[in-house]
Amino acid sequence: DTAVSQTPKYLVTQMGNDKSIKCEQNLGHDTMYWYKQDSKKFLKIMFSYNNKELIINETVPNRFSPKSPDKAHLNLHINSLELGDSAVYFCASSQAAQGDEQFFGPGTRLTVL
Amino acid sequence: AQSVTQLDSQVPVFEEAPVELRCNYSSSVSVYLFWYVQYPNQGLQLLLKYLSGSTLVKGINGFEAEFNKSQTSFHLRKPSVHISDTAEYFCAVLNTGFQKLVFGTGTRLLVSP
Repeated sequence: DTAVSQTPKYLVTQMGNDKSIKCEQNLGHDTMYWYKQDSKKFLKIMFSYNNKELIINETVPNRFSPKSPDKAHLNLHINSLELGDSAVYFCASSQAAQGDEQFFGPGTRLTVL
Repeated sequence: AQSVTQLDSQVPVFEEAPVELRCNYSSSVSVYLFWYVQYPNQGLQLLLKYLSGSTLVKGINGFEAEFNKSQTSFHLRKPSVHISDTAEYFCAVLNTGFQKLVFGTGTRLLVSP
């Protein structure tokens, strides 16, 4: 069984469109994250939720809006997509305890044309 | 704020040779340290982590790392690499007060026959 899953795996869309990426974890973890990996492989955290509450919100355009309907799901909605949004987006989860390993999903490759 | 420097963007090595991937960090507070591996078109997988205790940490796939507080380093080593070790390796630091994982820019390990 997949621990952290994301859908879709690939997403190709036009500039200006609105799209969502879904993430689910079946590990019973309390905390979930969204990371962005750019074309140079640099990974940066975007958001983190703990028990459906936003705890980390990095400097991300407000076109990006995370939503956590329950602690097993963290979705990412992106409005008015821009070329610079093209990247691989990774979802991750961990227990709330400090130092716990973060488990990553397989990633969603977003291409904005 | 903490930061991570991976000095080598790419490390070519022959199969069965030893390898060391370098990682230095900067932080004004205590940190936890991690090495993750990313195989092509996949998510990240934890190799090993240092939380406290022994400074020599052993991980999966024969990798180990040594935490050196005075040099603020956490270099990753393997005595004999395999072709299958070809991947991107990321060093990461976690401030003990938060769940925000900060990644280095990654080192691509290229193992050739």
